[in-house]
Amino acid sequence: AQSVTQLDSQVPVFEEAPVELRCNYSSSVSVYLFWYVQYPNQGLQLLLKYLSGSTLVKGINGFEAEFNKSQTSFHLRKPSVHISDTAEYFCAVSDLGRGAQKLVFGQGTRLTINP
Amino acid sequence: KAGVTQTPRYLIKTRGQQVTLSCSPISGHRSVSWYQQTPGQGLQFLFEYFSETQRNKGNFPGRFSGRQFSNSRSEMNVSTLELGDSALYLCASSLAWGGGPSYEQFFGPGTRLTVL
Repeated sequence: AQSVTQLDSQVPVFEEAPVELRCNYSSSVSVYLFWYVQYPNQGLQLLLKYLSGSTLVKGINGFEAEFNKSQTSFHLRKPSVHISDTAEYFCAVSDLGRGAQKLVFGQGTRLTINP
Repeated sequence: KAGVTQTPRYLIKTRGQQVTLSCSPISGHRSVSWYQQTPGQGLQFLFEYFSETQRNKGNFPGRFSGRQFSNSRSEMNVSTLELGDSALYLCASSLAWGGGPSYEQFFGPGTRLTVL
């Protein structure tokens, strides 16, 4: 079965510093990849997605991610974080062979921005 | 365009009771998926409906069920509630059960269920 590993459960960074949140998935078959953000007491908001094409994907709020098929990774990056980026971030994969509406999520990475 | 709405937002029940949660997808979206979020298990897929038919099902006991109506609104039901059913239940909608950008899922704010 498909699985997603977010290598860091918590990432503390200082404001205006760069950040990378790591994500690896278990299979190299055709997949769609997503990063979602969840603010306290809210649902999930899509940051960015990889469906096909360019492996560098740009999303909202200055985030970007790079799809690396050989390493089965989809790491999320931001060159300069802001206090408002404090939230939980989830990497997700949909396995096209098993019905792409089923998202498999990682355990989440809690990003804390310190002033 | 209005987003995904879920009602109620908060719910408190006792063990053994049953509960029904409701989800209204974005206008024009025909697929609705449900997820359970807990601190221990994270986000887990429950099931997905398209055109009133269950298309995918996660690994949950039969106490968890759902349905979709002709207007794409969906409900999920949990019978004989257990303490472990306490969770945030998230609904997501997407355009269609197909390919490409139609796979993007838009999430609602969730229903927080507490079982006492």
